Amino acid sequence: GQQLNQSPQSMFIQEGEDVSMNCTSSSIFNTWLWYKQDPGEGPVLLIALYKAGELTSNGRLTAQFGITRKDSFLNISASIPSDVGIYFCAGQRSNFGNEKLTFGTGTRLTIIP
Amino acid sequence: KAGVTQTPRYLIKTRGQQVTLSCSPISGHRSVSWYQQTPGQGLQFLFEYFSETQRNKGNFPGRFSGRQFSNSRSEMNVSTLELGDSALYLCASSWRGLDRHTGELFFGEGSRLTVL
Repeated sequence: GQQLNQSPQSMFIQEGEDVSMNCTSSSIFNTWLWYKQDPGEGPVLLIALYKAGELTSNGRLTAQFGITRKDSFLNISASIPSDVGIYFCAGQRSNFGNEKLTFGTGTRLTIIP
Repeated sequence: KAGVTQTPRYLIKTRGQQVTLSCSPISGHRSVSWYQQTPGQGLQFLFEYFSETQRNKGNFPGRFSGRQFSNSRSEMNVSTLELGDSALYLCASSWRGLDRHTGELFFGEGSRLTVL
């Protein structure tokens, strides 16, 4: 099935560093969401974006809905050990309705001691 | 508020067998979606049920099926298991009425299936 392209696939950073990752699509999405999955658990919603150009923060996390509606970005500032996990973007063509989500391939974040 | 509950958490089957996984959504949520997660393929959408009707379907063979009961609990079944079916199966619930943002899913911890 179709998936969104996330990059990078994995990141190895030191505690305190800032993190940037992005998600791109060949087609337009009108909803972008970012989820995080901790080891052994299901994904948890971090941020939801519903308007092109929108910039939304959740604590140290900031996500942006790309102007072209074909991409989205997630930044994490001053990383801490609990940021470790897999980050997934997800897109939906509509803001409302019953359309399914399409998930990205994931970015695995590891913090080096 | 209780979260999404999936059972069993772990199970081991052999090729050719069939398996049934269960999902209890958050109280009040009428939509249940199922995803297969593997290291190589990421999160792949299986199907979604809303008010006991299959509303969306992914690109999986007919061996994968599901249903939803009147209390919104859902089950998925995989028949004639193959080695490649080994994966984490995740269930997600949401309100997903047509008048609300519908992409906000609440996931369970998953059922990890190993096929030998």
